[in-house]
Amino acid sequence: GAVVSQHPSWVICKSGTSVKIECRSLDFQATTMFWYRQFPKQSLMLMATSNEGSKATYEQGVEKDKFLINHASLTLSTLTVTSAHPEDSSFYICSARDSRGGGYEQYFGPGTRLTVT
Amino acid sequence: QQQVKQSPQSLIVQKGGISIINCAYENTAFDYFPWYQQFPGKGPALLIAIRPDVSEKKEGRFTISFNKSAKQFSLHIMDSQPGDSATYFCAARRAGKSTFGDGTTLTVKP
Repeated sequence: GAVVSQHPSWVICKSGTSVKIECRSLDFQATTMFWYRQFPKQSLMLMATSNEGSKATYEQGVEKDKFLINHASLTLSTLTVTSAHPEDSSFYICSARDSRGGGYEQYFGPGTRLTVT
Repeated sequence: QQQVKQSPQSLIVQKGGISIINCAYENTAFDYFPWYQQFPGKGPALLIAIRPDVSEKKEGRFTISFNKSAKQFSLHIMDSQPGDSATYFCAARRAGKSTFGDGTTLTVKP
């Protein structure tokens, strides 16, 4: 199967600090990864598309200087929330696109719960 | 403009019954329609998916029905079990990017 991991699974940080979240595809290479944000009892909102070796593409309304994305290898993408504020508290989920054999499927990580105090 | 509309918002079904969740989309450029299951505090997991050139796809107890002309698709869960209690999201994909419905909270009563 295709497994995607995220680290950490939960994090609490103080307002003004930065937090880095890692997303790894464990058993496949992912040229494309996606970062989502989900508020309680709500749907997933795409934040950005991360392509290996190039700059991420951000959705409208997402501050690229606040949510820094780095896709340095075919198995790792990172999301850094800079100068975090309480309103950034949310559930962040990544997904990785399995491109094996021209595949099209996306597999989601288990999510990271961020709480900013 | 909400591109993918999902209904109902919540659903209660007796064990052994059929759960039906519906989605409608606007953009005819969508070319892939997956359904995901999400448990609290976890990431979504792919259940089943369909392409628009197919009208129905069945995998175990899960069936997708797809109506291209009506721009609608639905998930049917046969013989629903308490372990199926979760939030279900439909999605529509174009150029690799997915747009999600608002989700349906399914509760299966024993």
